[in-house]
Amino acid sequence: GAVVSQHPSWVICKSGTSVKIECRSLDFQATTMFWYRQFPKQSLMLMATSNEGSKATYEQGVEKDKFLINHASLTLSTLTVTSAHPEDSSFYICSAKREVNIQYFGAGTRLSVL
Amino acid sequence: EDKVVQSPLSLVVHEGDTVTLNCSYEVTNFRSLLWYKQEKKAPTFLFMLTSSGIEKKSGRLSSILDKKELSSILNITATQTGDSAIYLCACARIPYDKVIFGPGTSLSVIP
Repeated sequence: GAVVSQHPSWVICKSGTSVKIECRSLDFQATTMFWYRQFPKQSLMLMATSNEGSKATYEQGVEKDKFLINHASLTLSTLTVTSAHPEDSSFYICSAKREVNIQYFGAGTRLSVL
Repeated sequence: EDKVVQSPLSLVVHEGDTVTLNCSYEVTNFRSLLWYKQEKKAPTFLFMLTSSGIEKKSGRLSSILDKKELSSILNITATQTGDSAIYLCACARIPYDKVIFGPGTSLSVIP
């Protein structure tokens, strides 16, 4: 299957700092990538859809200025959590759409904000 | 509002048992239904179902879509401890914008 790489896999940061998470499609070009957040024992919650060369589409309730998304190339999307606070601690997962309808997921990033 | 429902939410079985996981949906402009398996990290793709009544099979796993009933089942035969995971059902719409995930079924297979 397709390979999506997500980095870092785990990050600890101090409250008030910003954290950048990268999502790369390694063996295909992805015009569309997705960012999810997952709380323990819960399903994936879509945060935003990232389109190459255009602004991201955010889901209702997700702060655009808090979660900055950049999709600068067909193989890279980044999510920056700005001024992170403890309530932002979560598991963040990206995915990239390859064939019609199928998303391939990165390994996720566990963010812990102290 | 579009939604995807899965049942049961949690299931514990013994090795060798056969399990059936259910997924039902109410999605406007439905295009396809997908099943994913999530162990500790990222979900891995299992099946995509677009047509009703056509079974997809991969080893001990199989799945089928019923568009009339707006549902799908995922069967796992002769379960093994390695099948323990969360199984996610998701629906894609026309035109494709995003998929809507269900809450998942947490399957635990005990020796």
